[in-house]
Amino acid sequence: AQKITQTQPGMFVQEKEAVTLDCTYDTSDPSYGLFWYKQPSSGEMIFLIYQGSYDQQNATEGRYSLNFQKARKSANLVISASQLGDSAMYFCAMREGGTGFQKLVFGTGTRLLVSP
Amino acid sequence: DVKVTQSSRYLVKRTGEKVFLECVQDMDHENMFWYRQDPGLGLRLIYFSYDVKMKEKGDIPEGYSVSREKKERFSLILESASTNQTSMYLCASHSGPSYEQYFGPGTRLTVT
Repeated sequence: AQKITQTQPGMFVQEKEAVTLDCTYDTSDPSYGLFWYKQPSSGEMIFLIYQGSYDQQNATEGRYSLNFQKARKSANLVISASQLGDSAMYFCAMREGGTGFQKLVFGTGTRLLVSP
Repeated sequence: DVKVTQSSRYLVKRTGEKVFLECVQDMDHENMFWYRQDPGLGLRLIYFSYDVKMKEKGDIPEGYSVSREKKERFSLILESASTNQTSMYLCASHSGPSYEQYFGPGTRLTVT
């Protein structure tokens, strides 16, 4: 069974609008972490945001926020005020177990295109 | 500035060749990882290493081996390259207290 599911192969958004990229996960481990990475066309993976399973509040980093709904096992990325430079592939990933053990499982990605 | 470097951005090899992909990190990280990335499949873990001379199989180790003789260097070896190993290969490193894995720029390998 897929541990990380990203159901949107592609998304379009206009500049300055907000966009939500979906991610659902599957784990029976009570301790886990969820990550979002951005991959521009240049290929490098850029860490965006992290949410731990025991964190009480949703993580935020600048224009990025993670809408963590534990009961629904979803960890959607919200990008506010989209910019042209946000056009990229976005990957959701999960770590099972404690923070010292960092084996990540990635989703298949969502390609975001921001138009002027 | 943290850095993970990979020996080549682009590589073309012939079927049956032995291929070495090198990864070096300058952050004194204990953990290092090799992934391959294919369209529609995301990133899949090939091998990882907790420490020098330690290695663990990931989700798709078949056809690959690794070497970690020094803490900063983690090599991926394709013993006999095949066309189905044409892919983007990404190396990453991580240290225990940190959430983030740091990635290299990737090596796009084509096997003909």
